[in-house]
Amino acid sequence: DAKTTQPNSMESNEEEPVHLPCNHSTISGTDYIHWYRQLPSQGPEYVIHGLTSNVNNRMASLAIAEDRKSSTLILHRATLRDAAVYYCILRFPGTYKYIFGTGTRLKVLA
Amino acid sequence: DTAVSQTPKYLVTQMGNDKSIKCEQNLGHDTMYWYKQDSKKFLKIMFSYNNKELIINETVPNRFSPKSPDKAHLNLHINSLELGDSAVYFCASSHSYIGSYEQYFGPGTRLTVT
Repeated sequence: DAKTTQPNSMESNEEEPVHLPCNHSTISGTDYIHWYRQLPSQGPEYVIHGLTSNVNNRMASLAIAEDRKSSTLILHRATLRDAAVYYCILRFPGTYKYIFGTGTRLKVLA
Repeated sequence: DTAVSQTPKYLVTQMGNDKSIKCEQNLGHDTMYWYKQDSKKFLKIMFSYNNKELIINETVPNRFSPKSPDKAHLNLHINSLELGDSAVYFCASSHSYIGSYEQYFGPGTRLTVT
């Protein structure tokens, strides 16, 4: 299974953009890049996913490197509610499971 | 309206007991999952059912037995509970296991075995 590498923790000031990086150098051509987040005492929550092109939704943007060996989740204006553990996951569409790594714990400072 | 619900939210029990956790989803999904999150916060898949059929069974002890009475429900029964079973168990669902559909997670059941 392809692996992802993320920083253990990051900090951001409220109302500022946050860029959460993820390295996935062993990604295969058909692996999708998924991002989830887990707020304290809650289940993981889907954020965004993409294959090759950059993606935007109401929660965040996903920037995928041209060689697809890395990606960045962008929160455009961090709020205190965005404090969570963010997981970057690779998923081959023919498989049935996600493999969660250790994720990045995002701390948002007021 | 809760999309994926689990009961109970907390479960405290003694070693050797048998317990069940229930999960229900009202999203019309045909695939459901059980995950375990241990004290170090690692999330690991245990089981998955698609249309009531088991499609994933990771290396989980036989004491754990999932049951899916219909597409909207996936229960987890645990026999002879051990201290190491203490964890948070999450149920999730998705449209299908094929493709890149996102998973929707329940709020979790915190199991404490004493």
